Amino acid sequence: KAGVTQTPRYLIKTRGQQVTLSCSPISGHRSVSWYQQTPGQGLQFLFEYFSETQRNKGNFPGRFSGRQFSNSRSEMNVSTLELGDSALYLCASNGQGENIQYFGAGTRLSVL
Amino acid sequence: EDQVTQSPEALRLQEGESSSLNCSYTVSGLRGLFWYRQDPGKGPEFLFTLYSAGEEKEKERLKATLTKKESFLHITAPKPEDSATYLCAVQARAGNNRKLIWGLGTSLAVNP
Repeated sequence: KAGVTQTPRYLIKTRGQQVTLSCSPISGHRSVSWYQQTPGQGLQFLFEYFSETQRNKGNFPGRFSGRQFSNSRSEMNVSTLELGDSALYLCASNGQGENIQYFGAGTRLSVL
Repeated sequence: EDQVTQSPEALRLQEGESSSLNCSYTVSGLRGLFWYRQDPGKGPEFLFTLYSAGEEKEKERLKATLTKKESFLHITAPKPEDSATYLCAVQARAGNNRKLIWGLGTSLAVNP
């Protein structure tokens, strides 16, 4: 059974640009959560999607958005990039009725 | 406010030298406490879930325990391959909210 797949693995952008990250959950998993990981703040929750609907949202500005498709794949978009958006972005999926979240390897975003 | 604090921040052990990592938490109704392991350049890998005070779980050299205010991850006779960052997270009991609240982790180095 394939795990959570995130693409791309690495991205370099400049301030003001926008970026889209992709996440394919484990087959059969309908819930996808996104986290931002930085050395100083650790993992911080961005949002969760279930069956194409945003079910929960963290305390990030509106520049951070996401969506989920009918096949449960999810995308995360960050507009007007700032230097502070440099981080590892992690996607996790969990099965229905299951509390355990399984993580992908992440996308390392560097904003110059 | 829900919060997770891990200690120590970093720990260096000799191979075979047992020790414990601490995770203290405050949460408005605990749904579950999770331990993950994260290797450099990878996403967190699930280790254990604990749901109620007094519960214990073991896997190879690792044993996790839970009280009403904290959890311990005991590492018995560690090996160099146990070197990683160990992350603790809690999930609050609030409807369909799957959000995990994370500690900053303990970076463990085991010297041969």
